[in-house]
Amino acid sequence: AQSVAQPEDQVNVAEGNPLTVKCTYSVSGNPYLFWYVQYPNRGLQFLLKYITGDNLVKGSYGFEAEFNKSQTSFHLKKPSALVSDSALYFCAVREPSGYSTLTFGKGTMLLVSP
Amino acid sequence: GAGVSQSPRYKVAKRGQDVALRCDPISGHVSLFWYQQALGQGPEFLTYFQNEAQLDKSGLPSDRFFAERPEGSVSTLKIQRTQQEDSAVYLCASSLEEGSGQFFGPGTRLTVL
Repeated sequence: AQSVAQPEDQVNVAEGNPLTVKCTYSVSGNPYLFWYVQYPNRGLQFLLKYITGDNLVKGSYGFEAEFNKSQTSFHLKKPSALVSDSALYFCAVREPSGYSTLTFGKGTMLLVSP
Repeated sequence: GAGVSQSPRYKVAKRGQDVALRCDPISGHVSLFWYQQALGQGPEFLTYFQNEAQLDKSGLPSDRFFAERPEGSVSTLKIQRTQQEDSAVYLCASSLEEGSGQFFGPGTRLTVL
């Protein structure tokens, strides 16, 4: 069975500083990995995904994530945080075969202070 | 429409009442998923449709939950005899084809009193 762990309930960072939101995963075979962001009273918005290729994936709003197979991690990063980045972030994994549903982590609240 | 839409956005039900939640996927999207997101948790899979066929309903928590997509587009998630533990946000997602990225709707927040 596939699973995702987001070890931090909340991450606090000052505006302009780099941010990292951690994610580790467990899946059979090569994973498809995703990051989604959720703003209050809104649905999940896709940020980026890793399917294959370069381990560093660039996504929306200046976010990027690094796939590390040996550490089974897919941490979300941004070089310079904005107050508007404050939201709930979810990491998700799925197996590459067929339709395979997404399995989500429990989410990490990112708070960026001015 | 431009994205996945869900209605109602908010639903308050008395315990024991039946509810129906609607999802309008992106036009032409073959795959449709329902997820349940409890407070403080990530979304959890409920069921999956490919066109009108319900291929996986392993995530439905009880036989009070029923989903359908009779014409392969709009889907309805029905919950019979609602219980307080059914209170959650119900998310619908669609994707163009099997294996492609999922686009999520805004969700329906169900509160059972």
